[in-house]
Amino acid sequence: DIQMTQSPSSLSASFGDRVTISCQASQDIKNYLNWYQHRPGTAPKLLIYDASNLETGVPSRFSASGSETNFSLTIGSLQPEDVATYYCQQFDDFPFTFGPGSKVDI
Amino acid sequence: EVQLVESGGGLVKPGGSLRLSCAASGFIFTDYNMNWVRQAPGRGLEWVSSISSYSAYIYYSDSVKGRFAISRDNPKNTLSLQMTSLRADDSATYYCTRDRDVTGTGRMTYWGQGTVVTVSS
Repeated sequence: DIQMTQSPSSLSASFGDRVTISCQASQDIKNYLNWYQHRPGTAPKLLIYDASNLETGVPSRFSASGSETNFSLTIGSLQPEDVATYYCQQFDDFPFTFGPGSKVDI
Repeated sequence: EVQLVESGGGLVKPGGSLRLSCAASGFIFTDYNMNWVRQAPGRGLEWVSSISSYSAYIYYSDSVKGRFAISRDNPKNTLSLQMTSLRADDSATYYCTRDRDVTGTGRMTYWGQGTVVTVSS
């Protein structure tokens, strides 16, 4: 199975800060990598698909990059509604696997 | 508007069974692969199972293989997850998800609100 790791596991930042989360795959997954935002009490939301494509309706302060084994998600200017846990997920092969999550706090 | 509404969660004893359902609307059900994803209390997201549009391809996580069965009733626009031999570590919120595109799989754009399964004696 492909293992996904994320760092940091949690972070605290201020409104307006630039925040970057990293995700690493245990093997080459090309660009088959998604990023999800999960706020407590709500359903997860797809932010980024195929490593760098912004999902429809997602604010442009979110961006992502990477390929093969190393990926990153950046929030350009942290907003209150961005408080959430962020997960990367590979879909290069079954079983699909998620990273352990990165919790973003203010 | 795409809607996914899960039902069937509840409290069940270890070793018991439960059947989850997901009623889909707002899109052509047969065009999309569907999935189940779960989140145990205090834990992260875990992919559980996927099924292709006409059930030709089915996949499970190792943790549920042999115990859970995913299925779909296309005329009724319903996705199901039959869970047997339930264990305490199956306790979680179970989400029904739809893939983003008609081609390919794994990009889970639409999620239901989830149904809670608690396995406890």
